[in-house]
Amino acid sequence: EVQLVESGGVVVQPGGSLRLSCAASGFTFDDYAMHWVRQAPGKGLEWVSLISWDGGSTYYADSVKGRFTISRDNSKNSLYLQMNSLRAEDTALYYCAKDSGSSGYYDYWGQGTLVTVSS
Amino acid sequence: EIVMTQSPATLSVSPGERATLSCRASQSVSSNLAWYQQKPGQAPRLLIYGASTRATGIPARFSGSGSGTEFTLTISSLQSEDFAVYYCQQYNNWPPWEYTFGQGTKLEIK
Repeated sequence: EVQLVESGGVVVQPGGSLRLSCAASGFTFDDYAMHWVRQAPGKGLEWVSLISWDGGSTYYADSVKGRFTISRDNSKNSLYLQMNSLRAEDTALYYCAKDSGSSGYYDYWGQGTLVTVSS
Repeated sequence: EIVMTQSPATLSVSPGERATLSCRASQSVSSNLAWYQQKPGQAPRLLIYGASTRATGIPARFSGSGSGTEFTLTISSLQSEDFAVYYCQQYNNWPPWEYTFGQGTKLEIK
């Protein structure tokens, strides 16, 4: 059974930093690209970032480019999102999502971890 | 940036009836279009990919159609468990490498 479990979400002050983690199991992690997708409270879905299966290619939404860094450790079946210079508008539930291959759509999602940026 | 626009924002339908949800792309995305269902307090679930292919375990009452800029999700006979929010997503895998969602359609019980 595929499982994605996010962690690391907390309340952080504007300008602060945070690292989210996603522990993957139930599939061959290093065969698949992975994404972060977020959802602000009561709002829709927003793609945040993509990393290729080997970590060699990374892509970001314009809204987080230069502030967020996606990475992965295939030896630990883990995905990460380093979030710097956080803003109030980054407040959201952050989902880790498994790409179906290297396709760009997501066949499995975690339950999300909540990041709140507030003073 | 490719903008995805869903309509209507809210759709009220009675159980057993057909629901038709629309999604429009600001430029062609070929058939690189997925649909997701999200229930309150839950993560999204993949329903359709490639504009018309049902994901594993998705009932046959869900169908997708369209290509280019106009797409439709049809639920042929609504069950109680189908009332949720539905999102479309384009996934053109070339520069500028963006994966945009529509704003969602809330399907509610009439």
